[in-house]
Amino acid sequence: AQSVSQHNHHVILSEAASLELGCNYSYGGTVNLFWYVQYPGQHLQLLLKYFSGDPLVKGIKGFEAEFIKSKFSFNLRKPSVQWSDTAEYFCAVKSSGGGADGLTFGKGTHLIIQP
Amino acid sequence: DTGVSQDPRHKITKRGQNVTFRCDPISEHNRLYWYRQTLGQGPEFLTYFQNEAQLEKSRLLSDRFSAERPKGSFSTLEIQRTEQGDSAMYLCASSARGPDTQYFGPGTRLTVL
Repeated sequence: AQSVSQHNHHVILSEAASLELGCNYSYGGTVNLFWYVQYPGQHLQLLLKYFSGDPLVKGIKGFEAEFIKSKFSFNLRKPSVQWSDTAEYFCAVKSSGGGADGLTFGKGTHLIIQP
Repeated sequence: DTGVSQDPRHKITKRGQNVTFRCDPISEHNRLYWYRQTLGQGPEFLTYFQNEAQLEKSRLLSDRFSAERPKGSFSTLEIQRTEQGDSAMYLCASSARGPDTQYFGPGTRLTVL
């Protein structure tokens, strides 16, 4: 069975600080990887995704993530955060080899950006 | 708005009652998913449809839960004899065929008293 671990449940940063949110997954086969964001009062939105190819993927709003297969990791980064980045961030994984199609999510990281 | 829509947005019910939620996916998306999210947790997969066929069910989907997608468009999720432990946000998502992104709706928040 797949599992996703997000190491930081709560992160507080000041504006302009750099951000890195950790995500590790457990699965033996090939995977698709996702970061979703949920802004206060809004629904889940896709930030970025990795299916294949370049392991460094860029998403919306200046976010990027790097897939490191040997470490089973897909960490999310942003060089300079803004107050509007305050949100809940979820890492998710799906098998890319057919079969199970549902996403497995981590527990999420609540990010608070202080002005 | 052409995103995933869910109805109702909020539902309060008494323990033992039946409830039904509806999800309208993005048009032409043939895959539809239901998830459940409780406080402090990420969404948990419940079930998945490709067109009208229910192809996958999680062990979280007990006998009291049933989902349908009769014409391959909208879907309903019914919970019979609700329990307090069913209180959660129920999320619907849809995707196009192939290994594509799942787009989520706003969810239905269920409170069982």
